Amino acid sequence: RKEVEQDPGPFNVPEGATVAFNCTYSNSASQSFFWYRQDCRKEPKLLMSVYSSGNEDGRFTAQLNRASQYISLLIRDSKLSDSATYLCVVPQGGYSTLTFGKGTMLLVSP
Amino acid sequence: DADVTQTPRNRITKTGKRIMLECSQTKGHDRMYWYRQDPGLGLRLIYYSFDVKDINKGEISDGYSVSRQAQAKFSLSLESAIPNQTALYFCATSDLGTGANTGELFFGEGSRLTVL
Repeated sequence: RKEVEQDPGPFNVPEGATVAFNCTYSNSASQSFFWYRQDCRKEPKLLMSVYSSGNEDGRFTAQLNRASQYISLLIRDSKLSDSATYLCVVPQGGYSTLTFGKGTMLLVSP
Repeated sequence: DADVTQTPRNRITKTGKRIMLECSQTKGHDRMYWYRQDPGLGLRLIYYSFDVKDINKGEISDGYSVSRQAQAKFSLSLESAIPNQTALYFCATSDLGTGANTGELFFGEGSRLTVL
């Protein structure tokens, strides 16, 4: 299994839809993980952290399943502005470095 | 002004030329990173530094070198550029080891390099 794997998409959804992304990782002893958002040709920016207990921020919910080694991101009531690439990020070596997945592209249409 | 600043933002150069990409930050973070991003390959770590005396190779350091001139400055050099080094390069800092200590990476706006 590659270190961090994501479905590249694109996920095409209409406004208002609920969409979920998964990310699998091969090896990490970290207690928390991250989802970053990257707009086209822009720098990645932190969307939310993912803890063992999960994390919710408005329309966004992140979950961690340590036993199955995957992280999920759920977006409810999708907006046009949610169109972006979502990067799953896994700490390595006790947070020495962060390994990025290749990203999942989301396209929200009117 | 941006907290993490990269220069140049765009550069076109020829094979064999030496290129330096510079990064400066005003966030007061000790940890700094250089990534490159290629379509379909995602972000890959080139070098990282935890302080001015601590430089580490990432997964794709061949063909690159770095210099940590000060806490706030971290430069990436391509001694002899080749076309497959054409990519979007990002510098980032981390708040690990600071009061916030969230592990978040703060990226510069990127430097787009084209090697002909």
